[in-house]
Amino acid sequence: AQSVTQPDIHITVSEGASLELRCNYSYGATPYLFWYVQSPGQGLQLLLKYFSGDTLVQGIKGFEAEFKRSQSSFNLRKPSVHWSDAAEYFCAVGPRAAGNKLTFGGGTRVLVKP
Amino acid sequence: EPEVTQTPSHQVTQMGQEVILRCVPISNHLYFYWYRQILGQKVEFLVSFYNNEISEKSEIFDDQFSVERPDGSNFTLKIRSTKLEDSAMYFCASSTITIDIQYFGAGTRLSVL
Repeated sequence: AQSVTQPDIHITVSEGASLELRCNYSYGATPYLFWYVQSPGQGLQLLLKYFSGDTLVQGIKGFEAEFKRSQSSFNLRKPSVHWSDAAEYFCAVGPRAAGNKLTFGGGTRVLVKP
Repeated sequence: EPEVTQTPSHQVTQMGQEVILRCVPISNHLYFYWYRQILGQKVEFLVSFYNNEISEKSEIFDDQFSVERPDGSNFTLKIRSTKLEDSAMYFCASSTITIDIQYFGAGTRLSVL
């Protein structure tokens, strides 16, 4: 069965510092990979996705993620965090076909210190 | 930018009552989904829906749950007899049939008392 692990439940980072959120997955084949962000009172907003090709993918809000097949990882990074990046971040995997369920990790809550 | 709209944002109900959660998916999307997130837990898949049929459902989606597309724009989740453990945030999502990017609404927080 597929699963997604986000080892860090909470991360506190200073504004302007770099951020890396970890995501490891277990899946029978190479899945589609996603990062979503949930700001307080908001829905899940897609940050970026990996389907195929270049293993370093760029997303919105200055985020990027790197797919490493050998490590079954899809870590999210941002070089310089802004106060507005305080939110909960979810990694998700899905099969390579439309209409199928996403499996989510438990989420990482990011707090940004001034 | 098109978005998925969910109403109400918060629903409070008594145990045993029926609730209907409503969603308006993005207009050209043909796959629709419901997920839920119990407080402090993971976002869990409930059901996917395509061409007026359930495509896939999880073990959570038992006979107490049903989904419907009553008209050309709405997609609903009905819980027939709510239980305390149904208290959660319910997310609706939609996608096209060619690209599996699911777009989520802001969610409905269901509180069962």
